[in-house]
Amino acid sequence: KAGVTQTPRYLIKTRGQQVTLSCSPISGHRSVSWYQQTPGQGLQFLFEYFSETQRNKGNFPGRFSGRQFSNSRSEMNVSTLELGDSALYLCASSFAGPGEKLFFGSGTQLSVL
Amino acid sequence: GENVEQHPSTLSVQEGDSAVIKCTYSDSASNYFPWYKQELGKRPQLIIDIRSNVGEKKDQRIAVTLNKTAKHFSLHITETQPEDSAVYFCAAYGDMKTSYDKVIFGPGTSLSVIP
Repeated sequence: KAGVTQTPRYLIKTRGQQVTLSCSPISGHRSVSWYQQTPGQGLQFLFEYFSETQRNKGNFPGRFSGRQFSNSRSEMNVSTLELGDSALYLCASSFAGPGEKLFFGSGTQLSVL
Repeated sequence: GENVEQHPSTLSVQEGDSAVIKCTYSDSASNYFPWYKQELGKRPQLIIDIRSNVGEKKDQRIAVTLNKTAKHFSLHITETQPEDSAVYFCAAYGDMKTSYDKVIFGPGTSLSVIP
């Protein structure tokens, strides 16, 4: 069974640009959640999607958005990039979400110059 | 608001000794407490979890204890080995099937096991 796949693996952008990250969950998993990982802040919850609906979101500005498609694949978008957005972005999938084991992808390393 | 504190931030132990990492949470509605291990350059992986109706859970050299009254839970690793060296994250959130609670992670503990 294929694991959680995130693309691209690395991204370099400049301030003001926008970026889209992709996450393909494990087959059969309908919940996809996103996290920002930085050395100083650990893992910060961005949002979670289930059956194309966002069920909850973390404390991030509106520049961070996401969506989920009918095949459970999810995308995350960051608009008007800032230097502080440089981080590893991880997605995780689970069958239904709450209280289940999260399977993480390898992440997308975003560098904003 | 919701918060999970984790201590210590770094921990060094001799191979064969025990390691203990403690987490404290603020949201009394939390009832699911997983622990994730992240080796350098790799993705986080679940190593053990506990729910609020259980006080302790063991899996070979790893155990987790929960004190819901005091709102803290701990990870215990016995007979540590070099491959236990990693960053460990605790988390606390609700597991209501009718909604999705924010997953709040602790800031992480970097464990080094010295051969």
